[in-house]
Amino acid sequence: EAGVVQSPRYKIIEKKQPVAFWCNPISGHNTLYWYRQNLGQGPELLIRYENEEAVDDSQLPKDRFSAERLKGVDSTLKIQPAELGDSAVYLCASSLTRRATYNEQFFGPGTRLTVL
Amino acid sequence: SQQGEEDPQALSIQEGENATMNCSYKTSINNLQWYRQNSGRGLVHLILIRSNEREKHSGRLRVTLDTSKKSSSLLITASRAADTASYFCATGKGGNQFYFGTGTSLTVIP
Repeated sequence: EAGVVQSPRYKIIEKKQPVAFWCNPISGHNTLYWYRQNLGQGPELLIRYENEEAVDDSQLPKDRFSAERLKGVDSTLKIQPAELGDSAVYLCASSLTRRATYNEQFFGPGTRLTVL
Repeated sequence: SQQGEEDPQALSIQEGENATMNCSYKTSINNLQWYRQNSGRGLVHLILIRSNEREKHSGRLRVTLDTSKKSSSLLITASRAADTASYFCATGKGGNQFYFGTGTSLTVIP
């Protein structure tokens, strides 16, 4: 079974440029997460989707970040314009939500963004 | 803001020794999980312990949870070079909300 797929793996851009990350979750997983991980830190949740609906985006900097999950499958996270402080690894994870059970998250390899 | 904090930040041991890392958190939880992250890779789920459990084992891993102290520990016995990675605790408050700690960087010297 294929795991969570993310692309690109690496991205280097100039500040003020736009950038987009793509995530394909594990087939059948209805919950999708985007995290940002700064160097030496743990992942911080940016947004969580249950199917097509964004149910937790309280940590998403909405002035420059946007995300979508069309048809409840693939997802795209966009930054426009990028700032120096956005340099980080952006992780996508997915899980199969079931009632009254713990839902293990499966992580992709991440996209390492460098803003110059 | 992140929920948990791991201690120590970095740990270096010889192969075959045991490694213990701790996680402290601030608010009540439903469950606590431990993840491993190898350099440049995504996180891999290791083990989950629920708030009504005190100890759990999985292979060479042993996790304890003390909800009165709001802390958990992860013990890796008979460590191997392949255990070299960063280890994170993540606290769950129910549903699909998880908060990751700052991580412990473990180095196992062959």
